[in-house]
Amino acid sequence: QVQLVQSGAEVKKPGASVKVSCKVSGYTLTELSMHWVRQAPGKGLEWMGGFDPEDGETIYAQKFQGRVTMTEDTSTDTAYMELSSLRSEDTAVYYCATWSVPGDYFDYWGQGTLVTVSS
Amino acid sequence: QSALTQPASVSGSPGQSITISCTGTSSDVGSYNLVSWYQQHPGKAPKLMIYEVSKRPSGVSNRFSGSKSGNTASLTISGLQAEDEADYYCCSYAGSSRVFGGGTKLTVL
Repeated sequence: QVQLVQSGAEVKKPGASVKVSCKVSGYTLTELSMHWVRQAPGKGLEWMGGFDPEDGETIYAQKFQGRVTMTEDTSTDTAYMELSSLRSEDTAVYYCATWSVPGDYFDYWGQGTLVTVSS
Repeated sequence: QSALTQPASVSGSPGQSITISCTGTSSDVGSYNLVSWYQQHPGKAPKLMIYEVSKRPSGVSNRFSGSKSGNTASLTISGLQAEDEADYYCCSYAGSSRVFGGGTKLTVL
């Protein structure tokens, strides 16, 4: 059984960066494909990007290109999502989720990390 | 990539059936049988309910079923129960990206 445990809530000022972590247990990170999804307060889910094992690359939603970086530390089985140039509209709960291939679905989710951007 | 279109809300009484629609385009829902559905209770992470249009993960009640016709996918919940009250989101493969629906709030009357 995969378990994903995310880092705690963050408060950032506009223009700053935030880095959210997602610790994997039950499997190794190399056995999984990790993606990130966010949810603004009272809003829907929004896919940000993740690792595509079919071509071995990290793919990002066009909306976040140039502002988001997703990395992995396989020595600690921890995935990271860093978002830069934060603005108030980035206030959201950020989830890591494992992506299943074949089938193309998100089967395991972290508990979410609230990132608040406020001056 | 625009979000898939879902009704903002649906409601039903216990024991009844409801259907939530998810309309996309020929670039996403219409081109791939890779639609998944997620249930989200307040303050909780989403939970996978349906994948590949109509398949149910182990542990998900057979009261949940999915289908697709053209550019529209649907989630049907039969025998509504109080615990089904939640937000539901569809998601589709769209080439190199994924796109979610705007979400539907299900109220069990």
